[in-house]
Amino acid sequence: GDSVTQMEGPVTLSEEAFLTINCTYTATGYPSLFWYVQYPGEGLQLLLKATKADDKGSNKGFEATYRKETTSFHLEKGSVQVSDSAVYFCALITGNQFYFGTGTSLTVIP
Amino acid sequence: SAVISQKPSRDICQRGTSLTIQCQVDSQVTMMFWYRQQPGQSLTLIATANQGSEATYESGFVIDKFPISRPNLTFSTLTVSNMSPEDSSIYLCSVENSGGRTDTQYFGPGTRLTVL
Repeated sequence: GDSVTQMEGPVTLSEEAFLTINCTYTATGYPSLFWYVQYPGEGLQLLLKATKADDKGSNKGFEATYRKETTSFHLEKGSVQVSDSAVYFCALITGNQFYFGTGTSLTVIP
Repeated sequence: SAVISQKPSRDICQRGTSLTIQCQVDSQVTMMFWYRQQPGQSLTLIATANQGSEATYESGFVIDKFPISRPNLTFSTLTVSNMSPEDSSIYLCSVENSGGRTDTQYFGPGTRLTVL
């Protein structure tokens, strides 16, 4: 069945370090791909999305490119800040069904 | 986008009791979704609630345990019945993109439930 696999955490980085959180997916058809972020004590927020192959989603300095050939949607940011500390979820939708990864906790230290 | 509020934000309940969680959206939406996020785990869809019809439950979830109401296009409730400690989770309400295409979901802040 359809699924999302993302890099296990927790991840701890120093401020201004480069971030990559890996996400791969399995899906029939042509899913849309998403990254959601959950800040401490808050609900999930949509961070970025891509709806077709080779699309790049970007927001708040984060980027992810929809790679059909590698079935991946890795999240990257060139220089993380303390305020980026959160849990990041990769997700896909196919048909009307959302599938979420298990989440990757990121802590950025000053 | 949609602004979603949930009440209560958190609660601590005794085993065997029930809790009703409310979800309010600032715009009319066709489909509302209820998710559970158990500690350290990802989101699991409990059910989809459409206005004017019975909710559709995912495998492993039943109406007797998680009755849902959807009285109008901006409001829904989820009840967690006869609670046990295994029901301790964050419960999240979400809605689809108000444009009608289900390609984005927006989430409420969640209700953090602890069952003793």
